[in-house]
Amino acid sequence: NAGVTQTPKFQVLKTGQSMTLQCAQDMNHNSMYWYRQDPGMGLRLIYYSASEGTTDKGEVPNGYNVSRLNKREFSLRLESAAPSQTSVYFCASSEEVSGWVVGGYTFGSGTRLTVV
Amino acid sequence: SQQGEEDPQALSIQEGENATMNCSYKTSINNLQWYRQNSGRGLVHLILIRSNEREKHSGRLRVTLDTSKKSSSLLITASRAADTASYFCATGNAGGTSYGKLTFGQGTILTVHP
Repeated sequence: NAGVTQTPKFQVLKTGQSMTLQCAQDMNHNSMYWYRQDPGMGLRLIYYSASEGTTDKGEVPNGYNVSRLNKREFSLRLESAAPSQTSVYFCASSEEVSGWVVGGYTFGSGTRLTVV
Repeated sequence: SQQGEEDPQALSIQEGENATMNCSYKTSINNLQWYRQNSGRGLVHLILIRSNEREKHSGRLRVTLDTSKKSSSLLITASRAADTASYFCATGNAGGTSYGKLTFGQGTILTVHP
């Protein structure tokens, strides 16, 4: 099925450990995003990539790094996990043409991360 | 900071009734979108309305946009138990190089009782 695939679905880390969340889309979208969702906070943008080879910070980038490996893949890395990074992480992709969005985001099913 | 603020935070209705959710935002936008999230799942895009549009329909969904009041509403008609979910509005800012970047509100939890 076409869409956005995230791995892993669940992860438990100890404080200070590192990990990479993987995301891949097969819709040939230009833009990809990483959001985190916390209770009562809605979704907050961590990083985004408007095209292959470019990345930009969102609202809450501290403690994270990203890599746009190619047009399909956009990974999120936690170098030294902290309890404050316990959250549900969503990857999404979208298409824009000349600055106008074409349709909405397609979201992955999420990664539930717990840092102890 | 959150651009969109949904109201009410929670809504409980009976099957067959209409559900109305509102969203207010602060800065100029080029589009506003509504998403649904079922418990434990990812968000699903429902409808997009551009800043030069006032109303859009999709099946049982009706979205209005009032840019002068910086507000939008989502109406779900003849609701069903399967409509039980959280609903989020998201805004795409006008200008700059924001392109498709969206800012999400905190959502409205809708419960439809059979």
